[in-house]
Amino acid sequence: DAGVIQSPRHEVTEMGQEVTLRCKPISGHDYLFWYRQTMMRGLELLIYFNNNVPIDDSGMPEDRFSAKMPNASFSTLKIQPSEPRDSAVYFCASSLGLAPELEQFFGPGTRLTVL
Amino acid sequence: KQEVTQIPAALSVPEGENLVLNCSFTDSAIYNLQWFRQDPGKGLTSLLLIQSSQREQTSGRLNASLDKSSGRSTLYIAASQPGDSATYLCAVRYSGGGADGLTFGKGTHLIIQP
Repeated sequence: DAGVIQSPRHEVTEMGQEVTLRCKPISGHDYLFWYRQTMMRGLELLIYFNNNVPIDDSGMPEDRFSAKMPNASFSTLKIQPSEPRDSAVYFCASSLGLAPELEQFFGPGTRLTVL
Repeated sequence: KQEVTQIPAALSVPEGENLVLNCSFTDSAIYNLQWFRQDPGKGLTSLLLIQSSQREQTSGRLNASLDKSSGRSTLYIAASQPGDSATYLCAVRYSGGGADGLTFGKGTHLIIQP
């Protein structure tokens, strides 16, 4: 398996524009997580899905952020409109399940810069 | 609020030394703890996972321990090499209340001097 795939790897946009980040989890993994990494706050969970259904979105910072998982092999994180403070690295991770012995596997991340 | 703290924030040692990275967490009700490695501009690579029922895990030159009662974990790196230079992140999965994501520490930035 190719691991968790994210695109694009880098995104530069101007304030006010819509940004869409994409993720393909590892095949067969039922859980998908979106995290954000900043210098100030480190890595933080934004939202996660189980079998394509959002379970906990309490980490989503504002209504400008939305996430969807239309099928088991694809998820998007959308920011509309984007702001400079959204600049960060966004990671997607997936897991087979939530049993204590199961790891979360992370993608390479998308580095977002909002000018 | 559940927190994870890593000490030190940065560490520089000569090649060949054994070293210990520390992680502490505020709530002992955890499912597991993962140690990750992050290289500059790259994603996270999982190094070791310790379940709440375990005391330690080993992989090659790495050994991670877990003491739930004191809320601490350590990552021991034996015979360090320049290729070990990276940021090491500790992450805890807390149990209960649907908190199924990982709570991360800020990391220890490790430099191994050749």
